[in-house]
Amino acid sequence: DTAVSQTPKYLVTQMGNDKSIKCEQNLGHDTMYWYKQDSKKFLKIMFSYNNKELIINETVPNRFSPKSPDKAHLNLHINSLELGDSAVYFCASSHPAGGLEKLFFGSGTQLSVL
Amino acid sequence: GQNIDQPTEMTATEGAIVQINCTYQTSGFNGLFWYQQHAGEAPTFLSYNVLDGLEEKGRFSSFLSRSKGYSYLLLKELQMKDSASYLCAVSASGGSYIPTFGRGTSLIVHP
Repeated sequence: DTAVSQTPKYLVTQMGNDKSIKCEQNLGHDTMYWYKQDSKKFLKIMFSYNNKELIINETVPNRFSPKSPDKAHLNLHINSLELGDSAVYFCASSHPAGGLEKLFFGSGTQLSVL
Repeated sequence: GQNIDQPTEMTATEGAIVQINCTYQTSGFNGLFWYQQHAGEAPTFLSYNVLDGLEEKGRFSSFLSRSKGYSYLLLKELQMKDSASYLCAVSASGGSYIPTFGRGTSLIVHP
Protein backbone atom coordinates (compact mmCIF):
# COMPACT_ATOMS: atom_id res chain seq x y z
CA ASP A 1 0.00 0.00 0.00
CA THR A 2 3.04 2.26 -0.01
CA ALA A 3 2.28 5.31 -2.11
CA VAL A 4 5.82 6.01 -3.34
CA SER A 5 8.26 3.15 -3.05
CA GLN A 6 11.89 3.10 -3.96
CA THR A 7 14.46 0.33 -3.94
CA PRO A 8 16.95 -0.44 -2.67
CA LYS A 9 16.86 1.29 0.73
CA TYR A 10 20.63 0.96 1.10
CA LEU A 11 23.21 0.75 -1.67
CA VAL A 12 26.91 0.31 -1.00
CA THR A 13 29.20 0.21 -4.00
CA GLN A 14 32.68 0.94 -5.28
CA MET A 15 33.83 4.04 -7.11
CA GLY A 16 33.48 3.71 -10.86
CA ASN A 17 30.53 1.34 -10.77
CA ASP A 18 27.18 1.93 -12.45
CA LYS A 19 24.02 1.59 -10.36
CA SER A 20 20.29 2.17 -10.57
CA ILE A 21 17.64 3.14 -8.06
CA LYS A 22 14.04 2.28 -8.83
CA CYS A 23 10.97 4.32 -7.94
CA GLU A 24 7.31 3.53 -8.35
CA GLN A 25 4.20 5.45 -7.31
CA ASN A 26 0.66 4.14 -7.13
CA LEU A 27 -1.02 7.51 -6.58
CA GLY A 28 -1.81 8.15 -10.21
CA HIS A 29 0.36 11.27 -10.15
CA ASP A 30 1.58 12.85 -13.36
CA THR A 31 4.89 14.23 -12.17
CA MET A 32 7.81 12.48 -10.51
CA TYR A 33 11.03 13.89 -9.06
CA TRP A 34 14.44 12.90 -7.83
CA TYR A 35 15.99 14.84 -4.95
CA LYS A 36 19.44 14.41 -3.39
CA GLN A 37 19.92 15.02 0.32
CA ASP A 38 23.53 15.54 1.38
CA SER A 39 25.16 14.96 4.74
CA LYS A 40 24.03 18.41 5.88
CA LYS A 41 20.42 17.44 5.13
CA PHE A 42 20.16 19.88 2.21
CA LEU A 43 17.47 18.55 -0.16
CA LYS A 44 18.30 19.51 -3.75
CA ILE A 45 16.20 18.86 -6.84
CA MET A 46 17.87 16.76 -9.51
CA PHE A 47 15.10 16.05 -12.00
CA SER A 48 11.42 16.64 -12.52
CA TYR A 49 9.58 14.56 -15.10
CA ASN A 50 6.09 14.15 -16.42
CA ASN A 51 4.90 12.61 -19.64
CA LYS A 52 5.58 15.82 -21.48
CA GLU A 53 8.69 17.36 -20.05
CA LEU A 54 11.95 16.55 -18.35
CA ILE A 55 13.40 19.39 -16.30
CA ILE A 56 17.00 18.88 -15.33
CA ASN A 57 18.85 20.81 -12.67
CA GLU A 58 21.81 22.13 -14.62
CA THR A 59 24.18 21.36 -11.77
CA VAL A 60 23.51 17.61 -12.01
CA PRO A 61 26.36 15.77 -13.77
CA ASN A 62 25.36 13.93 -16.93
CA ARG A 63 26.45 10.70 -15.23
CA PHE A 64 22.98 10.83 -13.71
CA SER A 65 20.05 10.00 -15.96
CA PRO A 66 16.36 9.46 -15.21
CA LYS A 67 14.50 6.78 -17.09
CA SER A 68 10.72 6.52 -17.10
CA PRO A 69 9.25 3.36 -18.65
CA ASP A 70 5.74 4.60 -17.81
CA LYS A 71 3.92 7.26 -15.79
CA ALA A 72 4.18 5.30 -12.55
CA HIS A 73 7.94 4.76 -12.63
CA LEU A 74 10.99 7.00 -12.63
CA ASN A 75 14.28 5.20 -12.19
CA LEU A 76 17.62 6.86 -11.58
CA HIS A 77 20.73 5.56 -13.34
CA ILE A 78 24.16 6.63 -12.19
CA ASN A 79 27.29 5.89 -14.20
CA SER A 80 30.88 5.96 -13.00
CA LEU A 81 30.00 6.56 -9.36
CA GLU A 82 32.18 8.99 -7.42
CA LEU A 83 32.76 9.45 -3.68
CA GLY A 84 30.80 12.70 -3.76
CA ASP A 85 27.70 10.87 -4.94
CA SER A 86 27.27 9.43 -1.46
CA ALA A 87 23.97 10.82 -0.16
CA VAL A 88 20.35 9.91 0.39
CA TYR A 89 18.30 9.99 -2.80
CA PHE A 90 14.57 10.63 -2.53
CA CYS A 91 12.00 9.97 -5.18
CA ALA A 92 8.77 11.98 -5.00
CA SER A 93 5.58 12.43 -6.98
CA SER A 94 2.82 15.00 -7.23
CA HIS A 95 -0.43 15.78 -8.95
CA PRO A 96 -0.60 18.98 -11.06
CA ALA A 97 -1.73 21.89 -8.88
CA GLY A 98 -0.70 25.02 -10.71
CA GLY A 99 2.67 25.20 -9.04
CA LEU A 100 1.32 24.30 -5.61
CA GLU A 101 2.05 20.63 -5.88
CA LYS A 102 2.23 18.71 -2.63
CA LEU A 103 5.11 16.25 -2.83
CA PHE A 104 4.81 12.66 -1.67
CA PHE A 105 8.24 11.22 -0.96
CA GLY A 106 9.56 7.70 -1.02
CA SER A 107 11.50 6.43 1.99
CA GLY A 108 14.88 7.23 0.45
CA THR A 109 17.90 5.29 -0.77
CA GLN A 110 21.11 5.72 1.18
CA LEU A 111 23.94 5.47 -1.33
CA SER A 112 27.46 4.94 -0.03
CA VAL A 113 30.30 5.03 -2.54
CA LEU A 114 33.56 3.53 -1.24
CA GLY B 1 18.06 31.33 -8.66
CA GLN B 2 16.29 31.02 -5.35
CA ASN B 3 17.73 31.66 -1.92
CA ILE B 4 16.02 30.19 1.13
CA ASP B 5 17.34 30.70 4.63
CA GLN B 6 16.30 29.15 7.93
CA PRO B 7 18.07 28.55 11.25
CA THR B 8 20.10 25.37 11.45
CA GLU B 9 18.97 24.22 14.86
CA MET B 10 16.53 25.14 17.61
CA THR B 11 15.71 23.66 20.98
CA ALA B 12 12.50 23.95 22.97
CA THR B 13 10.77 22.46 25.95
CA GLU B 14 7.89 20.01 25.87
CA GLY B 15 4.58 21.88 26.14
CA ALA B 16 6.06 25.17 24.92
CA ILE B 17 5.58 27.10 21.66
CA VAL B 18 8.31 27.44 19.07
CA GLN B 19 8.51 29.58 15.93
CA ILE B 20 10.73 28.51 13.04
CA ASN B 21 11.49 31.30 10.60
CA CYS B 22 12.18 31.11 6.88
CA THR B 23 13.23 33.93 4.59
CA TYR B 24 13.44 33.63 0.84
CA GLN B 25 14.44 35.53 -2.27
CA THR B 26 12.97 34.40 -5.55
CA SER B 27 11.45 35.60 -8.80
CA GLY B 28 7.86 34.79 -9.63
CA PHE B 29 6.85 33.55 -6.17
CA ASN B 30 3.96 31.09 -6.27
CA GLY B 31 3.74 29.42 -2.88
CA LEU B 32 5.63 28.40 0.25
CA PHE B 33 5.54 24.97 1.85
CA TRP B 34 6.56 23.41 5.14
CA TYR B 35 7.62 19.79 5.42
CA GLN B 36 8.55 17.72 8.47
CA GLN B 37 11.33 15.14 8.32
CA HIS B 38 12.09 12.77 11.18
CA ALA B 39 15.59 11.32 11.32
CA GLY B 40 16.06 8.56 8.75
CA GLU B 41 12.63 9.10 7.22
CA ALA B 42 11.11 10.85 4.23
CA PRO B 43 9.86 14.44 4.37
CA THR B 44 6.10 14.74 4.85
CA PHE B 45 3.96 17.70 3.88
CA LEU B 46 2.70 19.95 6.68
CA SER B 47 1.23 23.08 5.12
CA TYR B 48 1.41 25.63 2.36
CA ASN B 49 0.77 29.37 2.05
CA VAL B 50 -0.07 31.26 -1.10
CA LEU B 51 -1.50 34.49 0.24
CA ASP B 52 -0.34 36.65 3.13
CA GLY B 53 -1.56 35.65 6.55
CA LEU B 54 -1.80 32.78 8.95
CA GLU B 55 -2.95 29.27 8.08
CA GLU B 56 -3.85 27.20 11.13
CA LYS B 57 -3.88 23.43 11.20
CA GLY B 58 -4.27 21.99 14.67
CA ARG B 59 -1.12 22.53 16.72
CA PHE B 60 0.75 23.80 13.65
CA SER B 61 0.29 27.17 11.98
CA SER B 62 2.16 28.78 9.11
CA PHE B 63 2.44 32.46 8.31
CA LEU B 64 3.46 34.22 5.10
CA SER B 65 4.41 37.77 4.20
CA ARG B 66 5.13 37.95 0.48
CA SER B 67 6.31 41.57 0.58
CA LYS B 68 8.94 40.67 3.18
CA GLY B 69 9.86 37.29 1.71
CA TYR B 70 9.20 35.78 5.11
CA SER B 71 7.37 32.84 6.61
CA TYR B 72 7.26 31.10 9.92
CA LEU B 73 6.01 27.78 11.21
CA LEU B 74 4.50 27.92 14.68
CA LEU B 75 4.30 24.74 16.72
CA LYS B 76 2.18 24.84 19.88
CA GLU B 77 1.97 22.44 22.82
CA LEU B 78 5.22 20.83 21.78
CA GLN B 79 5.53 17.09 22.14
CA MET B 80 8.65 14.97 22.13
CA LYS B 81 7.59 13.49 18.80
CA ASP B 82 7.87 16.96 17.24
CA SER B 83 11.66 16.59 17.36
CA ALA B 84 12.48 16.58 13.66
CA SER B 85 13.81 18.72 10.83
CA TYR B 86 11.42 21.32 9.42
CA LEU B 87 12.00 22.17 5.79
CA CYS B 88 10.83 25.37 4.17
CA ALA B 89 10.29 25.11 0.40
CA VAL B 90 9.34 27.67 -2.24
CA SER B 91 7.60 27.26 -5.57
CA ALA B 92 8.30 29.98 -8.11
CA SER B 93 8.28 30.53 -11.84
CA GLY B 94 12.00 31.23 -11.56
CA GLY B 95 12.44 27.59 -10.58
CA SER B 96 9.97 26.11 -13.03
CA TYR B 97 7.55 25.76 -10.09
CA ILE B 98 9.54 22.84 -8.74
CA PRO B 99 9.67 23.08 -4.93
CA THR B 100 13.10 24.32 -3.84
CA PHE B 101 14.03 23.51 -0.28
CA GLY B 102 15.95 25.38 2.38
CA ARG B 103 18.54 23.55 4.47
CA GLY B 104 15.99 22.71 7.15
CA THR B 105 15.82 23.52 10.85
CA SER B 106 16.56 20.72 13.26
CA LEU B 107 14.19 21.07 16.24
CA ILE B 108 15.06 19.30 19.47
CA VAL B 109 12.28 19.08 22.04
CA HIS B 110 13.43 18.21 25.54
CA PRO B 111 11.42 17.30 28.64
